[in-house]
Amino acid sequence: EAGVAQSPRYKIIEKRQSVAFWCNPISGHATLYWYQQILGQGPKLLIQFQNNGVVDDSQLPKDRFSAERLKGVDSTLKIQPAKLEDSAVYLCASSLSRPSNTEAFFGQGTRLTVV
Amino acid sequence: QQQVKQSPQSLIVQKGGISIINCAYENTAFDYFPWYQQFPGKGPALLIAIRPDVSEKKEGRFTISFNKSAKQFSLHIMDSQPGDSATYFCAPKGRDDKIIFGKGTRLHILP
Repeated sequence: EAGVAQSPRYKIIEKRQSVAFWCNPISGHATLYWYQQILGQGPKLLIQFQNNGVVDDSQLPKDRFSAERLKGVDSTLKIQPAKLEDSAVYLCASSLSRPSNTEAFFGQGTRLTVV
Repeated sequence: QQQVKQSPQSLIVQKGGISIINCAYENTAFDYFPWYQQFPGKGPALLIAIRPDVSEKKEGRFTISFNKSAKQFSLHIMDSQPGDSATYFCAPKGRDDKIIFGKGTRLHILP
């Protein structure tokens, strides 16, 4: 079974530039998550999709972050403009939505460095 | 709003010893209680999980103990090995599929 694919693995940009991350979840997984993990901390949920609808984006800084999940499969997360404090690993995860009590599978993440 | 409290923040255990990590939660709507293991440069991966209808689950050297009334669950690693050195997260999941991570425990097993 193919896992969650993310690209790119690493990205270095200057502050105020824009950047986009891509995620391909496991086939058949209706729920998709984007997490931000700052070094030494636990992952923080940015946005959760159910198919192509947003379930929770309460912690997404909407003035600079946006995300979409076209056709309920792949997803992209964009930051525009980037700030120094956006330096982190961005993790994508997916899971079955029914039943709900099942594991989430994580990609390897994209490490973003803003200089 | 901190819904999941994990302790300790870091832990050093001698090889062959027992590692114990604890997690306390507030949300009674959680219905899946996993522990994830994360190595540097990798995403978290499921180690072991429990559902609220049982109080304990054992898989090899790893055991979850679950106390529904106290809203706590813990991870026990028996015969800890240097390869167990990693960061561990509790990350309970709710019926709305929302997953809330603890802050993590950095475990180091001394050879």
